[in-house]
Amino acid sequence: QKEVEQDPGPLSVPEGAIVSLNCTYSNSAFQYFMWYRQYSRKGPELLMYTYSSGNKEDGRFTAQVDKSSKYISLFIRDSQPSDSATYLCALPPNAGKSTFGDGTTLTVKP
Amino acid sequence: DTAVSQTPKYLVTQMGNDKSIKCEQNLGHDTMYWYKQDSKKFLKIMFSYNNKELIINETVPNRFSPKSPDKAHLNLHINSLELGDSAVYFCASSQGGSSTEAFFGQGTRLTVV
Repeated sequence: QKEVEQDPGPLSVPEGAIVSLNCTYSNSAFQYFMWYRQYSRKGPELLMYTYSSGNKEDGRFTAQVDKSSKYISLFIRDSQPSDSATYLCALPPNAGKSTFGDGTTLTVKP
Repeated sequence: DTAVSQTPKYLVTQMGNDKSIKCEQNLGHDTMYWYKQDSKKFLKIMFSYNNKELIINETVPNRFSPKSPDKAHLNLHINSLELGDSAVYFCASSQGGSSTEAFFGQGTRLTVV
């Protein structure tokens, strides 16, 4: 049983586009939600995290949690070719056995 | 300073061989993990250790055996390698408890031929 499900990719957008990445989770008790970014041939790195409901903004990136629908989103504004990577939604690593979404590979074309 | 380091970075070996991957973290974390990532980028947990004690053992063949000599090290030994074992294996660590972040190594790309 997966704790978090992620919309499948891949996703290809032109430079400057707004990107929306989405996940759902199963357990309403979860409070922390993370987004990791993984460049090709590298390990995943934490991009940002949110606590409970609401939005968190960091530059061009906005993480959003809707606890009523158990929905997690990551928005990227003014996407750049350097944003091309695989994005994984995640729960805290000790939250269960399947705490990572399956990942969405994003390609931003110049 | 590399926070989570694993060796080797690349490993090419023949079917039937036994191989080990080593992992060390210098973050002082209590919990370490092994993940397997297949060609579709699915990241699946294999094992989790907290203070040298096994706490998660996902459904993996018993040919895979983790060993934690101390809380800074978690090695993965694989016996009788099979073609299907080809993947990227990531070691990670976290502080445990309510910690939100896992820190990953750079991965070991295992190719079984």
